[in-house]
Amino acid sequence: GDSVTQMEGPVTLSEEAFLTINCTYTATGYPSLFWYVQYPGEGLQLLLKATKADDKGSNKGFEATYRKETTSFHLEKGSVQVSDSAVYFCALTDPYSSASKIIFGSGTRLSIRP
Amino acid sequence: EAQVTQNPRYLITVTGKKLTVTCSQNMNHEYMSWYRQDPGLGLRQIYYSMNVEVTDKGDVPEGYKVSRKEKRNFPLILESPSPNQTSLYFCASSQNTPGSGANVLTFGAGSRLTVL
Repeated sequence: GDSVTQMEGPVTLSEEAFLTINCTYTATGYPSLFWYVQYPGEGLQLLLKATKADDKGSNKGFEATYRKETTSFHLEKGSVQVSDSAVYFCALTDPYSSASKIIFGSGTRLSIRP
Repeated sequence: EAQVTQNPRYLITVTGKKLTVTCSQNMNHEYMSWYRQDPGLGLRQIYYSMNVEVTDKGDVPEGYKVSRKEKRNFPLILESPSPNQTSLYFCASSQNTPGSGANVLTFGAGSRLTVL
């Protein structure tokens, strides 16, 4: 079945460092891909999404490109801030096999040092 | 403000004492879902509902019940809680089912439940 695999954390970086969080997926159809972010003590909220191959989602300086050939949707940011400390979840929806649900990765905890 | 509201936010209870976690959304969303979040396991879906009086099991439904009598409310019921149900619970909603048109989920702030 469909699945999402993302890099294990925790990831600790210094402020202004470059960030990459890897995410790969398996899907039977043509999924839409998402990154959700969970700040401390809060629920998840959408960070960005992409609905077809080669689409780039972007928000708050974060970017991710839908790569069908490598089945990947890696999250990047050029210069992280302390306020980016959170847990990041990669996710997919696949109307052909799992129309009623969104499948989440296990989450990657990011900590940014001042 | 568009939101999903869960109550209680924190609860400590004892084994076997029935409890209900309420969830309400003010966006007229059709789809609602419950998840539990456990360290190293990410989010796992417990139950979901595609509309009033339509509910179905997710990946980990054992020990839980839900109902959807009104569009805005989707309570999670633990008839006889056990310690393995200690977890962080999230309710979420979206306009349509997630797979249709890349619908985005709106999450509540979470309910941390401890069963002793």
